[in-house]
Amino acid sequence: EPEVTQTPSHQVTQMGQEVILRCVPISNHLYFYWYRQILGQKVEFLVSFYNNEISEKSEIFDDQFSVERPDGSNFTLKIRSTKLEDSAMYFCASTERDTQYFGPGTRLTVL
Amino acid sequence: AQSVTQLGSHVSVSEGALVLLRCNYSSSVPPYLFWYVQYPNQGLQLLLKYTTGATLVKGINGFEAEFKKSETSFHLTKPSAHMSDAAEYFCAVSEAGRRALTFGSGTRLQVQP
Repeated sequence: EPEVTQTPSHQVTQMGQEVILRCVPISNHLYFYWYRQILGQKVEFLVSFYNNEISEKSEIFDDQFSVERPDGSNFTLKIRSTKLEDSAMYFCASTERDTQYFGPGTRLTVL
Repeated sequence: AQSVTQLGSHVSVSEGALVLLRCNYSSSVPPYLFWYVQYPNQGLQLLLKYTTGATLVKGINGFEAEFKKSETSFHLTKPSAHMSDAAEYFCAVSEAGRRALTFGSGTRLQVQP
């Protein structure tokens, strides 16, 4: 069964460093998403992406965040200058029609 | 803005007992409704969804949920809990015309032997 994959599973970085989180969505899906879950809190929507552009973004998704589909398979989330409060689990998802399928997540720890 | 309320951050049941996890949403227009399950150190797995049609929806692992428009609810049930059901359960909604999911705060289900 096809699934969304994410790498790395755990990323540790120093405050102020740039990180890139990678996702491979399910191959025939057209919409891609990033969500995050700070420890003990709700899963929060960050951004959706369709046809090589952002289709929707939340207030959380400020200028330090960017997304890209650099090739036909990968979908990346870049955090330009990480802050302590960016520590969270980041989930990628892709959509077939109305259902979002989630990857296993990348745990980002900012020290 | 859309909001989702899950009553009870922790629910404990005995093995074999009924599972009832509550979810209420705020919307004047019926949204799409979802339940996801998250096992420890894993991602979110879709349990079931309601988009249109029959209001009683059956999902995987014996779970079902009923959409009640008058109560703006989408409670999740399972007649008989199994130890393997221990996990965190999230209710989520998407508004018509939007794809972003709004999640509830989650309910951690414990199943006692």
